[in-house]
Amino acid sequence: DTAVSQTPKYLVTQMGNDKSIKCEQNLGHDTMYWYKQDSKKFLKIMFSYNNKELIINETVPNRFSPKSPDKAHLNLHINSLELGDSAVYFCASSTTDRGRKKLFFGSGTQLSVL
Amino acid sequence: AQKITQTQPGMFVQEKEAVTLDCTYDTSDPSYGLFWYKQPSSGEMIFLIYQGSYDQQNATEGRYSLNFQKARKSANLVISASQLGDSAMYFCAMREGRNTGGFKTIFGAGTRLFVKA
Repeated sequence: DTAVSQTPKYLVTQMGNDKSIKCEQNLGHDTMYWYKQDSKKFLKIMFSYNNKELIINETVPNRFSPKSPDKAHLNLHINSLELGDSAVYFCASSTTDRGRKKLFFGSGTQLSVL
Repeated sequence: AQKITQTQPGMFVQEKEAVTLDCTYDTSDPSYGLFWYKQPSSGEMIFLIYQGSYDQQNATEGRYSLNFQKARKSANLVISASQLGDSAMYFCAMREGRNTGGFKTIFGAGTRLFVKA
């Protein structure tokens, strides 16, 4: 059973389109994240949700809108896609209980904007 | 502001030898966690090892150990007996405890490790 699953794995689209990436975790975690990995492999946090509440928004353009219908799901919708949005997007989850609070990552979504 | 620095863009190591990947961090929060993740060419992110800021001993996980020097704010990863499968990108990461409620983990730029046969 996949702990953090995100779909699709690959997304190729034209500039100006709107697209969504879905993420689900079955670990019972209370916190979920979206990270963006650019072509130089740099990983940057975009959003963090705790118990469906937005906690962190790292100055991401408002074309990016995360939605968390419940603690197990965090989707990312992107409007008016631009060339610079091409990247790998990782969903992750963790618990904020005592302990390591390590991130469990999904397998990533490779987004290519043409 | 918190910051993670990995100064080695690429490293080469001979198979079966040990290698140290450097990581320094900067935070004013007394409570934080340090992590290392591995990203092979297949792209997934694999957790390797964790060190808490209050942990007295250096963390070890199999062939991985973390050389934690708190006063120097360094958290270097040591991989012993390198294997060909260790060739990958390695990321150092830090999560602060208080300032961001533990909800933010930031990553260094990564070090690409090449293991030679």
